[in-house]
Formats: sequence, C-alpha cells, structure tokens
Amino acid sequence: DTGVSQDPRHKITKRGQNVTFRCDPISEHNRLYWYRQTLGQGPEFLTYFQNEAQLEKSRLLSDRFSAERPKGSFSTLEIQRTEQGDSAMYLCASSLLGLAPYFGPGTRLTVL
Amino acid sequence: SQQGEEDPQALSIQEGENATMNCSYKTSINNLQWYRQNSGRGLVHLILIRSNEREKHSGRLRVTLDTSKKSSSLLITASRAADTASYFCATDAAGSNYKLTFGKGTLLTVNP
Repeated sequence: DTGVSQDPRHKITKRGQNVTFRCDPISEHNRLYWYRQTLGQGPEFLTYFQNEAQLEKSRLLSDRFSAERPKGSFSTLEIQRTEQGDSAMYLCASSLLGLAPYFGPGTRLTVL
Repeated sequence: SQQGEEDPQALSIQEGENATMNCSYKTSINNLQWYRQNSGRGLVHLILIRSNEREKHSGRLRVTLDTSKKSSSLLITASRAADTASYFCATDAAGSNYKLTFGKGTLLTVNP
C-alpha cells in the first residue's frame, strides 16, 4: 500500500495520560499536514511541515500538543495530559509541493 | 474556523437519482476541492477545481465554481448506494500553501 498510513487507528486513554500518533506519508512527499476532526464537523488544520521544518501551527495546537518530523519522512503528534476535549479523529495528509494533499485513514482518539 | 459551508447538511435520495451539494466560502482562493468520507474513515480526494476554472468533470462527478459568488457545487449523477458518505468542500486560500479549510459537510444517503 503506497498511501498515507497512520498508527494506531484507534486509541483509548484515560484523562491525564500522554499519547503519541505516527504518520507515514507517501514516499517523497515533502509536505505533511495534521488535521483534527470532531464528530459532525469538518477537519480543522493543526500544523504542517515542509521536509523536517514545521512551518505553521494553528492556535488550536495548545502547548500540550507537539508535532515532529525529524528526518523529513514520518511524523509524530504527541498530546500530553490528555483532556476529554481532545477526543477526535486525527488525520494526517501528505503532498508534493504545490499539489493537493492525500489523507490517511486517521487515528481515532477517545479520552475517558 | 471553518470557511466552507455545505448545503444541505443532509440529503437522502434513491439510487439512480442525481445528487447536488453546494458549498459557499468567504475568502479568495487558489482552488477548491471536494472530498468524500465514509463513516469513521479517512478522506478521499474527489476533484480539484482551480480558481480560474468554471467547471470540471470526473466520471459521474461534475463540479462548478463561481468565484464571484464564492460558491461551488458538486453534482453526482446516477447515484449508487456506494456513494453514501459525507462530502466536504475544502478551500485553499490564496497564500495558504494548501492549508485547507473544510466545511461541515453534507451527509448523502443513497437508498437502494
């Protein structure tokens, strides 16, 4: 499968715990995006990388959120001290510069 | 904040009928895209229309764009039960580097 992959697909955690999600983009895609989607809403932009550089972060991304793309390939999104409001689908997308992004299947996070 | 607004929020039709969904947005855009999302799954890219284009076709899909009215429509002809999904429009605002802004989506149900 040469599409965008995300791991895990589902994560259930207790409030206050830390969680980390991984995204593997399509090979050679230099752009990588993270979005969050809550029930009944469209996805909302969180952050994006060009190669290993994080170029923009939404104000939705509080200090508890951190994203990395250390070698310009896969990316991780970590949420510290999770809250119930963090429950959502976290979507990753990748693209070549100037082209439309392709989305992965998402990681569904449930915070109890 | 979400720029695009899809209309209607929900649409139920019979197999074989055409389905039309509309999207309105607020700012100048480079392009507008339509995505499909099956329940609990990731986003599938359907079609992209650039700001200098007025109409585009892809198989049973027809997209129009009216930049003067800041609106777009997605027409699915000869619908099938497998077309049942949520449909989102997403805009790439001028200078946003494909940081997409999504609407809340239209839930399409095609009854066999």
